[in-house]
Amino acid sequence: AQKVTQAQTEISVVEKEDVTLDCVYETRDTTYYLFWYKQPPSGELVFLIRRNSFDEQNEISGRYSWNFQKSTSSFNFTITASQVVDSAVYFCALSEARSGGSNYKLTFGKGTLLTVNP
Amino acid sequence: EPEVTQTPSHQVTQMGQEVILRCVPISNHLYFYWYRQILGQKVEFLVSFYNNEISEKSEIFDDQFSVERPDGSNFTLKIRSTKLEDSAMYFCASVGSGNTEAFFGQGTRLTVV
Repeated sequence: AQKVTQAQTEISVVEKEDVTLDCVYETRDTTYYLFWYKQPPSGELVFLIRRNSFDEQNEISGRYSWNFQKSTSSFNFTITASQVVDSAVYFCALSEARSGGSNYKLTFGKGTLLTVNP
Repeated sequence: EPEVTQTPSHQVTQMGQEVILRCVPISNHLYFYWYRQILGQKVEFLVSFYNNEISEKSEIFDDQFSVERPDGSNFTLKIRSTKLEDSAMYFCASVGSGNTEAFFGQGTRLTVV
């Protein structure tokens, strides 16, 4: 069975601080995908990143960066110079790697509520 | 930018009533999903649909639930006899053959009273 743990329920920071959201996962699959989604107060789910288990390179996209460490089964997400607009719930998710579009049977973590104060 | 559209945005229904939640996926996508998020909790997989049939379903997706794609465009989730515990946000998602991203709709908030 797959499991995703986001131990931080809530984080509060002041604007311009860096913040790291932790994600630890469990799976018996040898290949899998890891995801991060953002859920702003409006409620929709916004895709941020998908990472294949074969690819352990860290990724940076603007103020966002992701650190994937297979050895510790972690896929942490860092926001640099946080902004008020970053306030949202952030979900880490996991799926088995399958062919086609069938690998979006996602197992989500419980989410981390990030509040960025001005 | 293409988007997945869900209607209605909010539905209130009485316990025991049938509801149909509607989703219009992105037109050339082939894989479709329903997820549920009880207020304040994590998002949970309900069902996946491909080639006009269910490909996988979770334990939550019992006989009270059904999905169909009646006209090749809409993708619907029906709950036959709603219970209070069905109150949640329901998300539809679609994935294209390129398989790089699942596009989620904005969700339907279902309130069962």
